[in-house]
Amino acid sequence: AQSVAQPEDQVNVAEGNPLTVKCTYSVSGNPYLFWYVQYPNRGLQFLLKYITGDNLVKGSYGFEAEFNKSQTSFHLKKPSALVSDSALYFCAVREDFGNEKLTFGTGTRLTIIP
Amino acid sequence: EPEVTQTPSHQVTQMGQEVILRCVPISNHLYFYWYRQILGQKVEFLVSFYNNEISEKSEIFDDQFSVERPDGSNFTLKIRSTKLEDSAMYFCASSSGVSNQPQHFGDGTRLSIL
Repeated sequence: AQSVAQPEDQVNVAEGNPLTVKCTYSVSGNPYLFWYVQYPNRGLQFLLKYITGDNLVKGSYGFEAEFNKSQTSFHLKKPSALVSDSALYFCAVREDFGNEKLTFGTGTRLTIIP
Repeated sequence: EPEVTQTPSHQVTQMGQEVILRCVPISNHLYFYWYRQILGQKVEFLVSFYNNEISEKSEIFDDQFSVERPDGSNFTLKIRSTKLEDSAMYFCASSSGVSNQPQHFGDGTRLSIL
């Protein structure tokens, strides 16, 4: 079975400060990990993924995420937050074999304060 | 950039009626999915579809639900005899089938059962 935990329902960050949105996962095999962002009344927009290789992956809009196998974590980061980054962020995992079903976390609402 | 499109954006239906949600996946994609998001809750996998058949389904996807690819472009989700608890946002997604590529989501259909 696969699962994802996003321990923070809400994260508030001042504009210009670094941000981190936390995610931990559990899978039987090797993980494929994803971050998606959801703006109001819109679908899930792909931000970045970890499949294999470098533990630090870079994605859209200046976001990056660090894969840590020992801590089973995949935290989303950005060095300098923008007000336009305010949205709902979802971490998702699937196993590296078999089905392509994505399992999502409960989401973290990120608010950037001007 | 190619997008997944879903229609209608909002569907209001009386309890007990049948509803069909429609999706046009990205044209060269081979895998298709339906997910749902009950208000305030996480995104949940319903079903995946490949080569004109269901490849995986969740426990949510019971006999009340069915999927179909009636032609070369559309992918539909039918819900028979709708219940109040079927009220949710339903997202369609598609992927190329290459294992390291992400799923791309539509903007969703908000289904309201009265």
